[in-house]
Amino acid sequence: DTGVSQNPRHKITKRGQNVTFRCDPISEHNRLYWYRQTLGQGPEFLTYFQNEAQLEKSRLLSDRFSAERPKGSFSTLEIQRTEQGDSAMYLCASSQWTGALSGNTIYFGEGSWLTVV
Amino acid sequence: AQSVTQLGSHVSVSEGALVLLRCNYSSSVPPYLFWYVQYPNQGLQLLLKYTTGATLVKGINGFEAEFKKSETSFHLTKPSAHMSDAAEYFCAVSEIPLWQGGKLIFGQGTELSVKP
Repeated sequence: DTGVSQNPRHKITKRGQNVTFRCDPISEHNRLYWYRQTLGQGPEFLTYFQNEAQLEKSRLLSDRFSAERPKGSFSTLEIQRTEQGDSAMYLCASSQWTGALSGNTIYFGEGSWLTVV
Repeated sequence: AQSVTQLGSHVSVSEGALVLLRCNYSSSVPPYLFWYVQYPNQGLQLLLKYTTGATLVKGINGFEAEFKKSETSFHLTKPSAHMSDAAEYFCAVSEIPLWQGGKLIFGQGTELSVKP
């Protein structure tokens, strides 16, 4: 169990550029979540996947944001035409759900910091 | 709609003193409640969780929390603070069991400082 892995850990980009973050969940975890955390705030839910299916998207996820999990393993979060307001830490999390008897534990990665200048 | 309020964005205690971090929630149904800790430049680590059953929940590192439905609270405590407890603490709620698609709604966090 190597934990949830995210890269890059830090990204500085110019306004208007596109950026992509990758998340590798814990092996065989079938659920994957993306959260965004700005300074001084708690994480805010963006979206989550069950295997390769994107089951829910927050209204925070504007049209410039797209998340994929093509093979039900790793996931990418792309932000197009970045704005200064996108500066935040993007957290990925994963969990293994096998039904009602499965645990209620979500494991978080260390996050990817985005700075838009 | 579910929400979480953490009273006090900064809490400072002396080493060896009681730690009390406050969390109140709003939920239309019996909630599932969580406390996470975040060390600088790291992700979130689960401290403890309340789903059903015993209202006093024990977690890692000597922390515990008590679910009080009448007060809609889930305060986090530790009898004796250690320097290594200095971190950001987040309370979170989910109205739906996570296995049914519930998601975590977090409070704004409380930064705990521990003085020697």
